[in-house]
Amino acid sequence: GAVVSQHPSWVICKSGTSVKIECRSLDFQATTMFWYRQFPKQSLMLMATSNEGSKATYEQGVEKDKFLINHASLTLSTLTVTSAHPEDSSFYICSARVPGQGDYGYTFGSGTRLTVV
Amino acid sequence: QKEVEQDPGPLSVPEGAIVSLNCTYSNSAFQYFMWYRQYSRKGPELLMYTYSSGNKEDGRFTAQVDKSSKYISLFIRDSQPSDSATYLCAMSGLQGAQKLVFGQGTRLTINP
Repeated sequence: GAVVSQHPSWVICKSGTSVKIECRSLDFQATTMFWYRQFPKQSLMLMATSNEGSKATYEQGVEKDKFLINHASLTLSTLTVTSAHPEDSSFYICSARVPGQGDYGYTFGSGTRLTVV
Repeated sequence: QKEVEQDPGPLSVPEGAIVSLNCTYSNSAFQYFMWYRQYSRKGPELLMYTYSSGNKEDGRFTAQVDKSSKYISLFIRDSQPSDSATYLCAMSGLQGAQKLVFGQGTRLTINP
């Protein structure tokens, strides 16, 4: 099946530093990837949609300059949390559209738990 | 009003019980209805999907969609402790929008 590999699975960083999270599609080409944020006991909140080779589309209220998304190839998308602060601590999950599976074909990475201290 | 409403629970049932999870939605344009299972600190995994109205069965799991009532359900028969997880409903198929809309998720615990 279509697999998305997400790294790291957890990261601790100091306030003010930047953190990069990677998502790779292992056995398919991901034209479109999605980045979500999830707070404890809450649902997934879509942050942005990225298409290979073009700028990401951010959801309302998401700071573009804080959450930098790059989708430079058909198998790799990255999310960089810049100048991280404790309130950015959360669980970040990427997802990709699986070719040929229509509007139900979304596969998810295993998530990254970010803790900013 | 949220586009998709789901009771967050928590829901706790004994092993072997039938579990019923539900979501309601407001946008009649949704075409695909999915159920995801998410274990703690993991990404969601697709359990089942249904296109438009109807029922779909896969082993111990049955998904139902009633578009006239804007109501979807997931039934788990002979529930097992390994079914303990958060279950998220999600919907898609809005024209011009390639994204999922999630419910809040229901945290389910199956007690041995």
